[in-house]
Amino acid sequence: SSELTQDPAVSVALGQTVRITCQGDSLRSYYASWYQQKPGQAPVLVMYGKNNRPSGIPDRFSGSSSGNTASLTITGAQAEDEADYYCNSRDSSGSHLGEFGGGTKLTVL
Amino acid sequence: EVQLVESGGGLVKPGGSLRLSCAASGFTFSSYSMNWVRQAPGKGLEWVSSISSSSSYIHYADSVKGRFTISRDNAKNSLYLQMNSLRAEDTAVYYCARECTDYDILTGYSRWWFDPWGQGTLVTVSS
Repeated sequence: SSELTQDPAVSVALGQTVRITCQGDSLRSYYASWYQQKPGQAPVLVMYGKNNRPSGIPDRFSGSSSGNTASLTITGAQAEDEADYYCNSRDSSGSHLGEFGGGTKLTVL
Repeated sequence: EVQLVESGGGLVKPGGSLRLSCAASGFTFSSYSMNWVRQAPGKGLEWVSSISSSSSYIHYADSVKGRFTISRDNAKNSLYLQMNSLRAEDTAVYYCARECTDYDILTGYSRWWFDPWGQGTLVTVSS
């Protein structure tokens, strides 16, 4: 089972702001990275580090972190943002094992 | 263009073996650690294994330790996953992903992320 905890589902009205959270002990040592996955497609990196967006990711995506919780915020959600979102980190106990959250299905209403 | 292309998936019987490959292009493959991540049908992502740039450091998820072997050939820009003693629960799409990591000295936090990912290859374990 995941050591990173995400809400299974979140919904947001078109154009509104939504926050997707991820909790886990490893997040006290590692910034979470975030991946967007649409049906039938491979995951795509949308956020990493403290608040770093890869090239091509809209600036409505932002990231933050506090204690054992990381957040991905979408300000002004668009229909194309409807997808599954996964957080990812590395076990901080020294095992160097990777871990993913269970995923959050975002619905844009 | 940075690209990863997996191959080698297919249908295999329980207890059987399969070898996945991941061909990398568009970047200096030998400078990056690489990872395998899988996704069972209708399920979330599961980290499987990682290998450092020179193959010095290798790690496995507990679910595959002792059955799977990750390797790489930097001369061929290729990553591999040898899967033995396959079980029904190994049925999944397997993705390879380039690992990026650094350390933020200002905050004391490490950054660790995967970019890009390949398109995935489906492994089905069934009799």
